[in-house]
Amino acid sequence: GDSVTQMEGPVTLSEEAFLTINCTYTATGYPSLFWYVQYPGEGLQLLLKATKADDKGSNKGFEATYRKETTSFHLEKGSVQVSDSAVYFCALRPGANNLFFGTGTRLTVIP
Amino acid sequence: GAVVSQHPSWVICKSGTSVKIECRSLDFQATTMFWYRQFPKQSLMLMATSNEGSKATYEQGVEKDKFLINHASLTLSTLTVTSAHPEDSSFYICSALTPGHNYGYTFGSGTRLTVV
Repeated sequence: GDSVTQMEGPVTLSEEAFLTINCTYTATGYPSLFWYVQYPGEGLQLLLKATKADDKGSNKGFEATYRKETTSFHLEKGSVQVSDSAVYFCALRPGANNLFFGTGTRLTVIP
Repeated sequence: GAVVSQHPSWVICKSGTSVKIECRSLDFQATTMFWYRQFPKQSLMLMATSNEGSKATYEQGVEKDKFLINHASLTLSTLTVTSAHPEDSSFYICSALTPGHNYGYTFGSGTRLTVV
């Protein structure tokens, strides 16, 4: 079945450090892939997306590339800020309305 | 843009009581809403899909008599956890299908339920 495996946290980084949160998936067909972010007290917000192989999603300095050969969609940012502290969810949409989520990774950035 | 408001953000209840969680679309009509649950260190799991004016569709393994979903209006869906037990303690999140906004989904902020 469809599933997402996401790097467990929590992750603690110093400001301006490089961030990678790993995400791999299992799916039949050609799913769309997403990263969602949840800031404290708020709902999940779409951070970026990719709809086909080799697509790169990017937003707010974050990037993720849809790698079909490795079934991965790792999230990266070159220089994190304190304001990036949040929980990050990797998700896939196989084609219907449903979204399959990873476990979420809590990121804390310290000054 | 589309906004979904979910209340309460956290609730503590005694075993055997019922708890209602509300999910409101503030500036749009939500014909389809989804309810998710997340146990500690596990994924967000879809519990059910509700369409306004019709019965909810529950995912396999979710007890429909225990988790009552009502979607009687285009702006409100409710999830009632009936006869709650400690094992129902979890994080519950709703989302609305919003074609054209947020790439199709707008989420509430979630409800942390603790049953004691």
